[in-house]
Amino acid sequence: EVQLVESGGGLVQPGGSLRLCCAASGFTFSNYWMSWVRQAPGKGPEWLANIKQDGSAKYYLNSVKGRFTISRDNAENSLYLQMNSLRAEDAAVYYCARNSEIAAAGNTFDIWGQGTMVTVSS
Amino acid sequence: DIQMTQSPSTLSASVGDRVTITCRASQSISTWLAWYQQKPGKAPKFLIYKASSLESGVPSRFSGSGSGTEFTLTISSLQPDDFATYYCQQCNSNPWTFGQGTKVEIK
Repeated sequence: EVQLVESGGGLVQPGGSLRLCCAASGFTFSNYWMSWVRQAPGKGPEWLANIKQDGSAKYYLNSVKGRFTISRDNAENSLYLQMNSLRAEDAAVYYCARNSEIAAAGNTFDIWGQGTMVTVSS
Repeated sequence: DIQMTQSPSTLSASVGDRVTITCRASQSISTWLAWYQQKPGKAPKFLIYKASSLESGVPSRFSGSGSGTEFTLTISSLQPDDFATYYCQQCNSNPWTFGQGTKVEIK
């Protein structure tokens, strides 16, 4: 079964850091671009960052550039998001998502994890 | 950034109804548009890409159309499993942005 499982969310104070992890299984992880997407309560999803199959290219949403870092370990079938200088507005459910390999689909997300909640509060 | 606007925000319908949701882009995105379905407490599910192509396993009662700046998602005969929130997403240019959602609720 194709699966993504996130972990690492929790309560953090403003200015603090968290590292999210996503464990992939059921597919050849190293063949896919991967992304992080978040969703604040009652809002639409918001794409944050993606990373190429070999980690050689990474792209970020402007509002998280310089604070968040996406990385991957293909040997461990894992995706990571290091989040620093967290703000109240970063509070959301964070999803790991697989980018579709269908060329005609462009940058879309065909498999999502169950999400991990990040709360930023003092 | 390309802004995606969906209408209506909420739609009340009955089982068997034909339902149409609209998504507008702030600039032309050709057919670089996807649709997702999300149920409460769950992750979004990929339904449609390239504006009108169904993802594998998605029932044929779902269809998409449009190009440029205006797109529609149609459910030909609403089923109990279809009550959910639907999001459009543009994949024309970075950053990849989503609409605010359309909730399809039971009338």
